[in-house]
Amino acid sequence: DAGVIQSPRHEVTEMGQEVTLRCKPISGHNSLFWYRQTMMRGLELLIYFNNNVPIDDSGMPEDRFSAKMPNASFSTLKIQPSEPRDSAVYFCASSFAGTYIANTGELFFGEGSRLTVL
Amino acid sequence: DQQVKQNSPSLSVQEGRISILNCDYTNSMFDYFLWYKKYPAEGPTFLISISSIKDKNEDGRFTVFLNKSAKHLSLHIVPSQPGDSAVYFCAASLTGTASKLTFGTGTRLQVTL
Repeated sequence: DAGVIQSPRHEVTEMGQEVTLRCKPISGHNSLFWYRQTMMRGLELLIYFNNNVPIDDSGMPEDRFSAKMPNASFSTLKIQPSEPRDSAVYFCASSFAGTYIANTGELFFGEGSRLTVL
Repeated sequence: DQQVKQNSPSLSVQEGRISILNCDYTNSMFDYFLWYKKYPAEGPTFLISISSIKDKNEDGRFTVFLNKSAKHLSLHIVPSQPGDSAVYFCAASLTGTASKLTFGTGTRLQVTL
């Protein structure tokens, strides 16, 4: 079975450019998460969706960041304009959260998109 | 405001010995805790978890201990193997928050020969 698929794996761009990161969650999962990994803060939750609806975007650092989930099999994280401090590894993760069943909290992560903003 | 803290950024252990990774949390409402393992250039993968109704959970060489009064959990790996060398993330969640996890900053474990 395919896991969470992220693209691109690596992105190098110049300050001020728009960056779009893409994610395809595991089929059948109804929750999708975007995390950012930095040395100082570890894995930070940026935003998560449940049934394609954004539930909590309190981790989105600034208005320069936006995320969409137009359907159950695709999500994007956009940074516009990008800045050097946005350089990090961005992970997408998915899970199944049942309404009436306890969920274990286990997330399935993609391999990440390493972003470098010069 | 780091609600989940891993105060040791790195740990080196000899093969065959016990590795103990520690994690502290500040939010007493957290009721489910997980450990994830991450190899370079890969995404984190789930390792083991524990519910707040338990104080220990074991899976093979991996055991997680939870001390709710101290808001502390630890991961024990016995015996440690070179393949265990990775970054370990502690995570916590609230039941009913659709798997929303709060992660620590990670501890890099190196198991030496």
